[in-house]
Amino acid sequence: DAEITQSPRHKITETGRQVTLACHQTWNHNNMFWYRQDLGHGLRLIHYSYGVQDTNKGEVSDGYSVSRSNTEDLPLTLESAASSQTSVYFCASSDRQDRSNEQFFGPGTRLTVL
Amino acid sequence: AQSVTQPDIHITVSEGASLELRCNYSYGATPYLFWYVQSPGQGLQLLLKYFSGDTLVQGIKGFEAEFKRSQSSFNLRKPSVHWSDAAEYFCAVGGSQGNLIFGKGTKLSVKP
Repeated sequence: DAEITQSPRHKITETGRQVTLACHQTWNHNNMFWYRQDLGHGLRLIHYSYGVQDTNKGEVSDGYSVSRSNTEDLPLTLESAASSQTSVYFCASSDRQDRSNEQFFGPGTRLTVL
Repeated sequence: AQSVTQPDIHITVSEGASLELRCNYSYGATPYLFWYVQSPGQGLQLLLKYFSGDTLVQGIKGFEAEFKRSQSSFNLRKPSVHWSDAAEYFCAVGGSQGNLIFGKGTKLSVKP
């Protein structure tokens, strides 16, 4: 079965360190998204990609970057982790041909920045 | 700007009682609307979606939602709640970048 996986599932890091969260999907979807989930805010869009070599900033992109070198993977990098980036991060993907925007979500990564 | 409002942060219902979770959206055109459920420590699972056509949408786990354009609403309903329905529920609207715009969620607790 096709799926979307994230690793690690839990991560503790220190302020100032670079951190990369992995996202891998086997749906063969062109569109991939990163969201963060915080209490009282729901999910907010960080970055998204419509295909290989394409990346775009979302609502809360400051301090984050992504790269898309193949269809399956969209790693999210925190260049210099800050305590404000403690959150749960979700990766999602969708089929470009699906006009409804239905997205499939990974299990999430809980990141703690000390 | 597109937005989604879920007015209820937390709802408690008794097992076997009916449930309605409210969702209001702001969107200029015909929206694509979704309800997702998140169990503790888990990812998001799609319950149902409205794309076009019949305004009453059936989903998984016995849930349904009704799209009401005049009220800009897409409320989620279930006639009889089970203890396993305790979770957080998110309403979302399809955004112009192909993303989803989420409400802040409603946490459902179920009393035995």
